Amino acid sequence: KQEVTQIPAALSVPEGENLVLNCSFTDSAIYNLQWFRQDPGKGLTSLLLIQSSQREQTSGRLNASLDKSSGRSTLYIAASQPGDSATYLCALATSGSRLTFGEGTQLTVNP
Amino acid sequence: NAGVTQTPKFQVLKTGQSMTLQCAQDMNHEYMSWYRQDPGMGLRLIHYSVGAGITDQGEVPNGYNVSRSTTEDFPLRLLSAAPSQTSVYFCASSYLGRSSGANVLTFGAGSRLTVL
Repeated sequence: KQEVTQIPAALSVPEGENLVLNCSFTDSAIYNLQWFRQDPGKGLTSLLLIQSSQREQTSGRLNASLDKSSGRSTLYIAASQPGDSATYLCALATSGSRLTFGEGTQLTVNP
Repeated sequence: NAGVTQTPKFQVLKTGQSMTLQCAQDMNHEYMSWYRQDPGMGLRLIHYSVGAGITDQGEVPNGYNVSRSTTEDFPLRLLSAAPSQTSVYFCASSYLGRSSGANVLTFGAGSRLTVL
């Protein structure tokens, strides 16, 4: 059974700092890995999707990497802003669209 | 383009009552799914469907029923609500069969259910 762990559970940083969120998983036989953002009381918004054959994806200030051999993914956020404050979740697809989620990292960016 | 619409947004039930959470999508997605989100446990898959007339169980299906009579709708039914079903429920949909399973899920805004 796939298990997904996200560390840290919560992170507070000053505005402008570069930061890394971590995601580890136990089964490397994955279709893809996705990073989502969830604002309080809202649904999830997909940020980046890395296919199993890829090593990284970039969108604006966000960069996600995937290392299947070590069972790890990182989400790098450059020049953080207060608007980046949210919970970030990683999720792995091991068959089709079925996702296994981590518990998330709650990020607070202080002005 | 409305995306994924969930109703109701909030619901309070008494133990033993039944209800249906509605989910509709207008993107012609083949795949639809229901997740529940609980503190400290992340999102867990309840049921999913890969097309009209086809449903299957996820990780935590007990106490829930689903049906998929149309491509657009995927209702989740609680037959006899229990306090353990207090949670936030999310519906999500995506295309199937695209390259290498790279199917991005679109989520609804969630339905917060409290069972007393």
